Amino acid sequence: DADVTQTPRNRITKTGKRIMLECSQTKGHDRMYWYRQDPGLGLRLIYYSFDVKDINKGEISDGYSVSRQAQAKFSLSLESAIPNQTALYFCATSDALTSDTQYFGPGTRLTVL
Amino acid sequence: SQQGEEDPQALSIQEGENATMNCSYKTSINNLQWYRQNSGRGLVHLILIRSNEREKHSGRLRVTLDTSKKSSSLLITASRAADTASYFCASETSGSRLTFGEGTQLTVNP
Repeated sequence: DADVTQTPRNRITKTGKRIMLECSQTKGHDRMYWYRQDPGLGLRLIYYSFDVKDINKGEISDGYSVSRQAQAKFSLSLESAIPNQTALYFCATSDALTSDTQYFGPGTRLTVL
Repeated sequence: SQQGEEDPQALSIQEGENATMNCSYKTSINNLQWYRQNSGRGLVHLILIRSNEREKHSGRLRVTLDTSKKSSSLLITASRAADTASYFCASETSGSRLTFGEGTQLTVNP
């Protein structure tokens, strides 16, 4: 969905490096989410934010941090990347009023060597 | 761990046939959603069924929900090659948090 963009789309980094993944949306939604997907598995929630001042941990937040810079921007950071963080990362948004459906970005493929 | 489990993990059918995918979940839900993912791409919402609904239709999609068995099924009728994708169920339990199943890889052969 072009309304939700993620940068970079692909990234290769080395163990121990700090890396930031960025998500922007033009849908005007207040809720944003970060997920990771491992091969053959479903998505697991890392962090979510219901507005700029509200940040919550998901089921697998260890090793990650987030920043909600504005309603439209939600960044995910890996403080010190490790190989088992190699995965496909997705950002998603939803609207508080009709919050049931989430809209996903195209994903960032991250490889940690 | 994932709340949702999907069955089968992979399904291969011929064009024109129907495809049925099943999903089970563990706790009470507000609604259950189905998403589609083309290879390496983001997920796209297909259909949502609320906990007080038993069946819902959208075009060639039919979703059922059995809260007593904590299960749902997605039926795609008259499948097409373009339906080839991974299909995920996602249960909403609290707020706007979704818990995804591990997905069914559907292949529709021309």
